[in-house]
Amino acid sequence: DTGVSQDPRHKITKRGQNVTFRCDPISEHNRLYWYRQTLGQGPEFLTYFQNEAQLEKSRLLSDRFSAERPKGSFSTLEIQRTEQGDSAMYLCASSLWLGQANEKLFFGSGTQLSVL
Amino acid sequence: AQTVTQSQPEMSVQEAETVTLSCTYDTSESDYYLFWYKQPPSRQMILVIRQEAYKQQNATENRFSVNFQKAAKSFSLKISDSQLGDAAMYFCAYRTSSRNNNDMRFGAGTRLTVKP
Repeated sequence: DTGVSQDPRHKITKRGQNVTFRCDPISEHNRLYWYRQTLGQGPEFLTYFQNEAQLEKSRLLSDRFSAERPKGSFSTLEIQRTEQGDSAMYLCASSLWLGQANEKLFFGSGTQLSVL
Repeated sequence: AQTVTQSQPEMSVQEAETVTLSCTYDTSESDYYLFWYKQPPSRQMILVIRQEAYKQQNATENRFSVNFQKAAKSFSLKISDSQLGDAAMYFCAYRTSSRNNNDMRFGAGTRLTVKP
């Protein structure tokens, strides 16, 4: 296992288009997180899954954003009707949750989205 | 709401020397977790070190150590014997111990340059 992988690495789209990103976590990890990182800032939490259940969503996740993890393995993050303000790096992280908040998150290399 | 502040946007250190990165946070909770993450140009966030707030002993991981001052809400990272590979963005992060909240809050980051 080579860690958390994200696809694509870069995405350029026109305003108003829909985009979908994929994240493949480390295979035995039961939790999967999505973060957004803008230039000069730290990552901001968007949402997370435990197995296939989406347990929490940030207020940052507008109605245009939807995330799924249908079989409790890979996850997709879709942005509909993209806006220029959506331009950011979207990071995925996974972890093996055993009941402690000091769980170790493993991050992917992110998908850099540019909305023109 | 918890906030994390990194007051040093950029720091530089000579190879083999020691550098300290600052982090302060704001919280009303007594039990929580603190982390330092490294983000190299490859963009993949890597956990450097973590600290449980209930532990008085400062965490240490090889050349990396923290100075955790709970009363002052300060959590600085010391890198000893700096190496060229330490050059990266460093993010301080806070997470509540509450199982109902999985929002990890990150600071804006400190860019560390290591001079040969």
